[in-house]
Amino acid sequence: QVQLVESGGGVFQPGESLRLSCAASGFSFSDYAMHWVRQAPGMGLEWLAFIRYDGSYISYADSVTGRFTISRDNSKSTLSLQMNSLRADDTALYYCARFGPYAFDVWGQGTMVTVSS
Amino acid sequence: AIQLTQSPSSLSASVGDRVSITCRASQGISSALAWYQQKPGKTPKLLIYDASSLETGVPSRFSGSGSGTDFTLTISSLQPEDFATYYCQQFKSYPLSFGGGTKVEIK
Repeated sequence: QVQLVESGGGVFQPGESLRLSCAASGFSFSDYAMHWVRQAPGMGLEWLAFIRYDGSYISYADSVTGRFTISRDNSKSTLSLQMNSLRADDTALYYCARFGPYAFDVWGQGTMVTVSS
Repeated sequence: AIQLTQSPSSLSASVGDRVSITCRASQGISSALAWYQQKPGKTPKLLIYDASSLETGVPSRFSGSGSGTDFTLTISSLQPEDFATYYCQQFKSYPLSFGGGTKVEIK
């Protein structure tokens, strides 16, 4: 079945770096644009980053521009998010999401990132 | 960047009630708006796209309307499984944005 599975979360100290991954299965990954969205505990959804199906266009939220980098490997059906210079306010559940014909039609279960000293 | 303001931020309603949630964009976004439902501990689920198109499999009691800057999600007869938080999202331009959410609680 169509599935997205995130990994790479954990507990990190401020200033550290980490790389999140999102493994796609059950669909032709290379045909779809992909996004990262996060949700801080008890808070709403925050859009973070977008990458076009072929990687030719990328966009970021202002809150992560210059610190986070989205990338994809279509040969491995994998989406990544490199997160540098972590801050306490990066603590959140990080989702990858597929942009279907019209909106985000498939979401992963999320991976939790906690930034704390 | 386009800001989305949802109202109310929360509401209490009874089973069978008609419920409406509004989403206002800081600038015109045509019909490039989607609505999602999120239950506690679950991932968001797409309900409505293009402001008024019902996603496949979503019950017909859900409907969306509006264009430009003002949008509404309506649940015609609230069911027990509809108690959740609802978010709007704009796709008109990057950076994309979500509304702050509306929590629908049991009265």
